[in-house]
Amino acid sequence: AQSVTQLGSHVSVSEGALVLLRCNYSSSVPPYLFWYVQYPNQGLQLLLKYTSAATLVKGINGFEAEFKKSETSFHLTKPSAHMSDAAEYFCAVRANRGGGADGLTFGKGTHLIIQP
Amino acid sequence: NAGVTQTPKFRVLKTGQSMTLLCAQDMNHEYMYWYRQDPGMGLRLIHYSVGEGTTAKGEVPDGYNVSRLKKQNFLLGLESAAPSQTSVYFCASSHNPTAPSHNEQFFGPGTRLTVL
Repeated sequence: AQSVTQLGSHVSVSEGALVLLRCNYSSSVPPYLFWYVQYPNQGLQLLLKYTSAATLVKGINGFEAEFKKSETSFHLTKPSAHMSDAAEYFCAVRANRGGGADGLTFGKGTHLIIQP
Repeated sequence: NAGVTQTPKFRVLKTGQSMTLLCAQDMNHEYMYWYRQDPGMGLRLIHYSVGEGTTAKGEVPDGYNVSRLKKQNFLLGLESAAPSQTSVYFCASSHNPTAPSHNEQFFGPGTRLTVL
């Protein structure tokens, strides 16, 4: 079964600094990978997704992620943090089984704190 | 275009009571999902549906039932609520999870349920 590990339940960076949120996955088949963001008391919003077309994926709000098969990783980065980036971030995986819908498996989330 | 909506937004139940959570989507998506979110656990899949009239169990289905009588609606029922079901419940929908260009899930705003 597929699984996702997010390293660090809380990450704190200064405004303007690099944001790096780590995600490692386990999947027996080539995966579909996603990063979602959740602002307080809201639902989840898609930041970006990997679907095998390109290993470097650009998303909304200046975020990007790189798929590294050899490291089974899909880390999320942003060159310069903004106060509005403070939120909970979830990495998720769906195994590409070619049929049927079995939902997403989520990591436990990383709370991003931006220091002024 | 409202996207995915959920009712109610908040609910408090006593142990043993029953209730139904309603999810509606106006994007003509075939696939719909129910997740629960608990602190430090990420989101976990309860049940899902691949189309009108179909349902299937996810990762944590015990204590819940679902129905998909209409394509746009997905109901989650708790027949006899327990304190362990205190959680935030999210509904999601997607067009086609096997198609790279249309496989992201769109989430509703959530229902916060407390069982006393």
